[in-house]
Amino acid sequence: DAGVIQSPRHEVTEMGQEVTLRCKPISGHNSLFWYRQTMMRGLELLIYFNNNVPIDDSGMPEDRFSAKMPNASFSTLKIQPSEPRDSAVYFCASSSGTGGRYEQFFGPGTRLTVL
Amino acid sequence: AQSVAQPEDQVNVAEGNPLTVKCTYSVSGNPYLFWYVQYPNRGLQFLLKYITGDNLVKGSYGFEAEFNKSQTSFHLKKPSALVSDSALYFCAAINTNAGKSTFGDGTTLTVKP
Repeated sequence: DAGVIQSPRHEVTEMGQEVTLRCKPISGHNSLFWYRQTMMRGLELLIYFNNNVPIDDSGMPEDRFSAKMPNASFSTLKIQPSEPRDSAVYFCASSSGTGGRYEQFFGPGTRLTVL
Repeated sequence: AQSVAQPEDQVNVAEGNPLTVKCTYSVSGNPYLFWYVQYPNRGLQFLLKYITGDNLVKGSYGFEAEFNKSQTSFHLKKPSALVSDSALYFCAAINTNAGKSTFGDGTTLTVKP
């Protein structure tokens, strides 16, 4: 298995531009999570999906952030418009969510820099 | 609300010495508990988990963790540290009814030669 796949690995953009981050979870996993990691705020859960349905988006910082999961093998996190304070590493993770298998498998992350 | 505390931001040990990274949790019901490791410029990597049964759980790379229900703790341990164990370690807990894990703030482990 290739693990969780994220693209792009690095993104540099200018303030005000739209940014789309992509994630392919591990096949067969039912739960998908988006996290943001910064030195100041640590690891933050933004949103998670179960069976493609958003369950908890309380961590999404504001309306500029949106996430979708149109099918079991693909999810996007969009920031529109982006701001310098959005600069962070964004991780996608997936887990089985059944049979006691709640451990999460993380992708390599997308390092976002907003100038 | 559930919470996970890692009381030490940093742990320093000499290579070959035993190491302990501490974690306490507050989760209703019977929690599942996890340890993850993060190497620089990488995503978090699952190390081990406790679900039920034996209080001593063994995981990857020679790590183990001890579950203590009365102290609500789940400390990560290794009998003999390696320089390559230097990384950021996260403890996490889940109440399966809630569906999402709560992570601690992380502990940076530095193993010196």
